[in-house]
Amino acid sequence: QSVLTQPPSLSGAPGQRVTISCTGSSSNIGAGYDVHWYQQLPGTAPKLLIYGHNNRPSGVPDRFSGSKSGTSASLAITGLQAEDEADYSCQSYDSSLSGSRVFGTGTKVTVL
Amino acid sequence: QVQLQESGPGLVKPSGTLSLTCAVSGGSISSSNWWSWIRQPPGKGLEWIGEIYHSGSTKYNPSLKSRVTISVDKSKNQFSLKLSSVTAADTAVYYCARISAGSYLDALDIWGQGTMVTVSS
Repeated sequence: QSVLTQPPSLSGAPGQRVTISCTGSSSNIGAGYDVHWYQQLPGTAPKLLIYGHNNRPSGVPDRFSGSKSGTSASLAITGLQAEDEADYSCQSYDSSLSGSRVFGTGTKVTVL
Repeated sequence: QVQLQESGPGLVKPSGTLSLTCAVSGGSISSSNWWSWIRQPPGKGLEWIGEIYHSGSTKYNPSLKSRVTISVDKSKNQFSLKLSSVTAADTAVYYCARISAGSYLDALDIWGQGTMVTVSS
């Protein structure tokens, strides 16, 4: 019962841009909590991709970018590459759940 | 470089207690980080279970709080998860993770490889 909603799947050809939405509410993203994004390659553990809405840890390519507006956040992948085929999840916090960490429903990105 | 490794039984009987340990290597569990457990049922999204500081302070997911205990063993540089009264709905890959102490705000910056736990008789 995730409180953050993502599209189940998206696809794009190599070189294209895909944008993954993460829709929340006034008790989580809209309350000003940070949003982080994780990438999960097939059969592996999640990896931190974006922190604090739009910051990349060292080593993450700059084709990944994040943004936040109101009660939603987005992850954009520009110049899509085959190795970007993975599951992507957003994460924030929710005041109605005592400040608990909450994850998005997850989005599977397929490179055509 | 800090690494995390989960360990524990891969099969637990219904109504039993799931017990997992996360060993921390390449760093101290007594650093300024919090440490977390997250799970992922097959084909589903991630779910935060809870987190602990080396002092023993804990935070739990309200939906699991009545069944969860997270503890720390500083002498062994590890932390543990116990989930009681398990059902098939608790079948999942369980991950331990480190919470950044500020470099990446409080994101989950290092993850273990995960361990699959199946609840079945």
